[in-house]
Amino acid sequence: QVQLQESGPGLVKPSETLSLTCTVSGGSISSDYWNWIRQPAGKGLEWLGRIYNSGLTTYNPSLKSRVTMSIDTSKHQFSLKVNSVTAADTGVYFCARGRPTGDSGVLFDYWGQGTLVAVSS
Amino acid sequence: SYELIQPPSVAVSPGQTASIPCSGDKLEYRYVCWYQQKQGQSPVLVMSRDSERPSGIPERFSGSNSGNTATLTISETQAEDEADYFCQAWDRSVVFGGGTKLTVL
Repeated sequence: QVQLQESGPGLVKPSETLSLTCTVSGGSISSDYWNWIRQPAGKGLEWLGRIYNSGLTTYNPSLKSRVTMSIDTSKHQFSLKVNSVTAADTGVYFCARGRPTGDSGVLFDYWGQGTLVAVSS
Repeated sequence: SYELIQPPSVAVSPGQTASIPCSGDKLEYRYVCWYQQKQGQSPVLVMSRDSERPSGIPERFSGSNSGNTATLTISETQAEDEADYFCQAWDRSVVFGGGTKLTVL
């Protein structure tokens, strides 16, 4: 059973960089896509981007200039950085495993429990 | 940018059938997935590739996709099905619908 666990600071100051790590257990990180998805309180889901084991990334165009993802297969971890954060970046951040659906798309079959990040001074 | 539209809420009586629509331009040409999210929990995949039910998801969950609308159908709805449901597809990026709150009255 694949398990994902997010970790990182729960509070970030405005204009600084949000950094989170997702640790994968119970399965290989050397295949599939590894994703970050966030959810503001009481709102819907927003996909931030994904990274493959090779380091190849695809980011949401709406956030592309502020988002960076990396992967360390030896540690079974992948990471997210969002720079120049504002209050609008506050929310629960999930990591999730993605698998192709066959139409260039992706489905998310395993999710972490999520971690709340607040942007505030 | 591509949009998926869901009604904010759907209500159903226990034992009845709930239908949750998700609309998008020419949606039938894209695979649609559905996620169930209960209060304070992570989303759970309940339907993939329009109508494929993942292992462990009850048979009362079914899906379809035709024209501009995909639909998640829950037959014999139970109290435990009360949750937010999100549809998701791909258009050069992952797109989620706004979510539908299913209330079991």
